[in-house]
Amino acid sequence: QSALTQPASVSGSPGQSITISCTGTSSDVGGSNFVSWYQRQPDKAPKLILHDVSYRPSGVSTRFSASKSGNSASLTISGLRAEDEADYYCSSKTSSGAWVFGGGTKLTVL
Amino acid sequence: QVQLQESGPGLVKPSETLSLTCTVSGGSIGGYYWSWIRQPPGKALEWIAYVHDGGSTFYNPSLKSRVTISVDTSKRQLSLGVSSVTAADTAVYYCARLGYSSGLLSFFDYWGQGILVTVSP
Repeated sequence: QSALTQPASVSGSPGQSITISCTGTSSDVGGSNFVSWYQRQPDKAPKLILHDVSYRPSGVSTRFSASKSGNSASLTISGLRAEDEADYYCSSKTSSGAWVFGGGTKLTVL
Repeated sequence: QVQLQESGPGLVKPSETLSLTCTVSGGSIGGYYWSWIRQPPGKALEWIAYVHDGGSTFYNPSLKSRVTISVDTSKRQLSLGVSSVTAADTAVYYCARLGYSSGLLSFFDYWGQGILVTVSP
């Protein structure tokens, strides 16, 4: 199972919106509603920010949203804040019942 | 608030067995599925396996022959063993809890901070 494809880095200024793409195949993203996104800040445990494509866990800011189309998913962060600077990872459950992750995207808030 | 903490040796020699423990606090360990995930330097996260206290396990096929996962509810710990390690097993290893959606395992809702394990002579 190959890793999902994410851009290595994205950047944006405070207040702007950014989108991070996550591309897989019909055996994972394209065929699964179990797509999730994680935020990993320095020296912190990864944090679940979206699951089942677009559902936010309790306590996660509404500035985080996500969607899926075909074999690709995307994470959008609106109203960028300095605290959003982190690495972001997508994940999908696969048709074999395993999970595959993306390589991660480093978000820099300018 | 559920908290997970990985522990174990940070250095393992090639061909030996890597053994890690994850201690769960702040919530029940029984009744949940627990996973190990790793990230080699500069590479993607890689799901390794999951375990349930009822005995159910499921492994990443690419690692299945070398990996053992278990849970001890009395100690509130899950464990990971990776045998015959090579430099390719050098990674940050995370433990995580699996969450359900519509009755199916879906996402990882709590993670540990991770532990770096280096395989080197």
